[in-house]
Amino acid sequence: DAGVTQSPTHLIKTRGQQVTLRCSPKSGHDTVSWYQQALGQGPQFIFQYYEEEERQRGNFPDRFSGHQFPNYSSELNVNALLLGDSALYLCASWTATNYGYTFGSGTRLTVV
Amino acid sequence: RKEVEQDPGPFNVPEGATVAFNCTYSNSASQSFFWYRQDCRKEPKLLMSVYSSGNEDGRFTAQLNRASQYISLLIRDSKLSDSATYLCVVNPGGSYIPTFGRGTSLIVHP
Repeated sequence: DAGVTQSPTHLIKTRGQQVTLRCSPKSGHDTVSWYQQALGQGPQFIFQYYEEEERQRGNFPDRFSGHQFPNYSSELNVNALLLGDSALYLCASWTATNYGYTFGSGTRLTVV
Repeated sequence: RKEVEQDPGPFNVPEGATVAFNCTYSNSASQSFFWYRQDCRKEPKLLMSVYSSGNEDGRFTAQLNRASQYISLLIRDSKLSDSATYLCVVNPGGSYIPTFGRGTSLIVHP
C-alpha cells in the first residue's frame, strides 16, 4: 500500500520564479492538505483540498495556490518566490473514516 | 497566545531516563489530539492519538487534561532511538485541520 508520495524531493529556485510541487495521496484517502515547515518550526497549514475544491485555507498569501485532480492527487503552486519561502513543504492525506494524517516525505525548496 | 504551545527544548536525557513533555492548546472546543514524531529532515509520523482516558503504547503514555487544556507525553526507559522532535497536534472543533505545535526536541545520550 503506497503511502503519500511527493515530488520533487529537492528543488532550488531563484527569487521571483514560480514552482509547482506534486502530491499523490495514500490509497483510499480523498483529502489532501499542504503544510509549510520552516527550520525549527512546526508545520504551518497552507490549505486543504477535498472533492477538487479548496475547503480551507491558512494564513498564506495568494501567491500560494493549489489544485486537486479527480484521482485526488494535488499540486501546490507558488508564484513570485521569496527567500522566505525556503522550507520543507509537506503534503498530508486522510479520509474521514481513518483519523490521523499520513505525511509524504516532503519537498525541500530552497530559494536563492 | 499561540493555538498550540510546546517547550522547544532540547531535552537532553541519558538512556533509561523517564522524560515528559507538555503541550497546551487555546481552543477549548478542540476535539482530537495527537503526538507525532519527526526525525531530522524527515516527515512527521503519527506516534499516538491521545484519548480523554489516557492511553499507553509500550513505553509511551499520553494524557489529556481538558479542564486545563493540555496534553502530555511520557516516555519511560528512553532509548537512543527516541531522539527526535515530538510534535503536539490538535484538531480544533468543527475543523479537520490539525494545528501543530513547534515541537519539542529530545536528545537521548549514552
